[in-house]
Amino acid sequence: AQSVAQPEDQVNVAEGNPLTVKCTYSVSGNPYLFWYVQYPNRGLQFLLKYITGDNLVKGSYGFEAEFNKSQTSFHLKKPSALVSDSALYFCAVREDHTGTASKLTFGTGTRLQVTL
Amino acid sequence: GAVVSQHPSRVICKSGTSVKIECRSLDFQATTMFWYRQFPKQSLMLMATSNEGSKATYEQGVEKDKFLINHASLTLSTLTVTSAHPEDSSFYICSAQPAGSSYNEQFFGPGTRLTVL
Repeated sequence: AQSVAQPEDQVNVAEGNPLTVKCTYSVSGNPYLFWYVQYPNRGLQFLLKYITGDNLVKGSYGFEAEFNKSQTSFHLKKPSALVSDSALYFCAVREDHTGTASKLTFGTGTRLQVTL
Repeated sequence: GAVVSQHPSRVICKSGTSVKIECRSLDFQATTMFWYRQFPKQSLMLMATSNEGSKATYEQGVEKDKFLINHASLTLSTLTVTSAHPEDSSFYICSAQPAGSSYNEQFFGPGTRLTVL
């Protein structure tokens, strides 16, 4: 069974400082990893994904994430946080099963609070 | 591209009534759609996988007779909450997987907030 852990319920950071939102995963095969952001009363917006290739993935709004196979992690990062980045962030994983419908497993979410 | 809409965005109904939520892929065809439920301050829980032209696959613990799913076309899936009760109040989110996508990506709708009085 696949699973995702986001160990921090909330991350607080000052605007302009770097931010990291942690995610670790567990799958039996090769992982497909995703980060989504959710604003209040809205659906999920795709930020970035790791499928294969370069371990450092760049996504929307200046976010990036690094796939670390040995640590089974996929932490989300941004060099300089903005107040507008304040939202709920979800990490998700699915196993590499080509040709079949993919079931994503989501982490519990991390609320990012960026203050002036 | 890859836009998914949901209608309605918000619905309030009386206990015992049924509510239908629509999920549409606006600019692509989706052979598979997923329905999730999100409780306040919690993660998304997959309820069911909807495949066009066939019966939905429900996750363990989800009542298929209560949450009726119909995927009648490649751009539309509907979730009907039958005989709704206050405990069904939640945020329902759908996602759609484009037909023939290489990595089976999902694109999410904006969600529907259901409140049952």
